[in-house]
Amino acid sequence: DTAVSQTPKYLVTQMGNDKSIKCEQNLGHDTMYWYKQDSKKFLKIMFSYNNKELIINETVPNRFSPKSPDKAHLNLHINSLELGDSAVYFCASSQAPGLAGGREETQYFGPGTRLLVL
Amino acid sequence: GEDVEQSLFLSVREGDSSVINCTYTDSSSTYLYWYKQEPGAGLQLLTYIFSNMDMKQDQRLTVLLNKKDKHLSLRIADTQTGDSAIYFCAESTGGFKTIFGAGTRLFVKA
Repeated sequence: DTAVSQTPKYLVTQMGNDKSIKCEQNLGHDTMYWYKQDSKKFLKIMFSYNNKELIINETVPNRFSPKSPDKAHLNLHINSLELGDSAVYFCASSQAPGLAGGREETQYFGPGTRLLVL
Repeated sequence: GEDVEQSLFLSVREGDSSVINCTYTDSSSTYLYWYKQEPGAGLQLLTYIFSNMDMKQDQRLTVLLNKKDKHLSLRIADTQTGDSAIYFCAESTGGFKTIFGAGTRLFVKA
């Protein structure tokens, strides 16, 4: 059973297009995240949602709009794609942070969506 | 501000021990993690340590934490070619944000 799944796995598109990436977790977690990993493998958090509410927005351009229809899903819509958006986007989930024990804060990552903007 | 630093590359021979080092800046860090990323995959938790611990051992993995120097290390004993991957150090202060280092690329030579 896949814990955190993302679709699509690969996305190749033209500059200026609008695209969406979907994420689902079946772990019953309260918190979900979107990360961007660039070609040098640097991992940067973009958004964090807890119980469908936006908690963290790390100065991401307005062209990126996350949507959480329920606790198990966090989708990422990107408008007017630019060359610099090419990267691997990872979704992750965790239990509510702040509880005792490091396991509860462990993040479970999806397999990634490789986005290439031409 | 919060920052996590790691060296970018490490090369070892099969059977040797690997030691991956990490420094962090936030003294209020509650948990420190080591994640492993294999090619084409997402990150997977290897181990974690609570900030009031100095050491944690889990089979071939040993984590050492020097809280005074804000230094974390991961030792992999008897390194195998299957250990070749990127290893990310990460810190959390118990909030919604986990800060990741840039990752150390471990190359294991047969």
